[in-house]
Amino acid sequence: GENVEQHPSTLSVQEGDSAVIKCTYSDSASNYFPWYKQELGKRPQLIIDIRSNVGEKKDQRIAVTLNKTAKHFSLHITETQPEDSAVYFCAAWGGQNFVFGPGTRLSVLP
Amino acid sequence: DAGVIQSPRHEVTEMGQEVTLRCKPISGHNSLFWYRQTMMRGLELLIYFNNNVPIDDSGMPEDRFSAKMPNASFSTLKIQPSEPRDSAVYFCASSYNPGGSKPQHFGDGTRLSIL
Repeated sequence: GENVEQHPSTLSVQEGDSAVIKCTYSDSASNYFPWYKQELGKRPQLIIDIRSNVGEKKDQRIAVTLNKTAKHFSLHITETQPEDSAVYFCAAWGGQNFVFGPGTRLSVLP
Repeated sequence: DAGVIQSPRHEVTEMGQEVTLRCKPISGHNSLFWYRQTMMRGLELLIYFNNNVPIDDSGMPEDRFSAKMPNASFSTLKIQPSEPRDSAVYFCASSYNPGGSKPQHFGDGTRLSIL
């Protein structure tokens, strides 16, 4: 089955700097890769997603890139703000199973 | 749109008791997912339904766990008998067909504590 790894597990950046979180997946049949943000005590919320027929997608300060050959995808947050502090999860869908990465705790320091 | 509605928000019960968690998906969504979240194991998919039919229950930890979806607007996750290691936050999520390749919308979760 699918296996998703995520790095780093924790990330601290200064406000205004960029943050990058990387995920790898094992199932070459996976074709959908969402990213979720979860604030403390709250539900995961979708922030951006990408499908396997696209290499990059942007939404304001957030972007996701996908390398199907290497089977990895990354989340990029530019001009980070304190409200970006949260746990971020990547996930992969291979048609039969939806697998989440272990999460990255992002702290944006003022 | 009311979003995915879960009840109860919090549940505290003694081990051995039956626990029933409830979920109402977003109207029009035809895929429903149950997740369990713990610090140790992260976010785990337990089971998902498509058009009220269970598609993959390989994540259900053991026979003490069961899930049903009697109609498009309601699902339950039941634990009987409950054990302290079942303590976790249980999330329900729904999406529009075909489920896996469409964004999932999560409910606010049920925080379950088994004493």
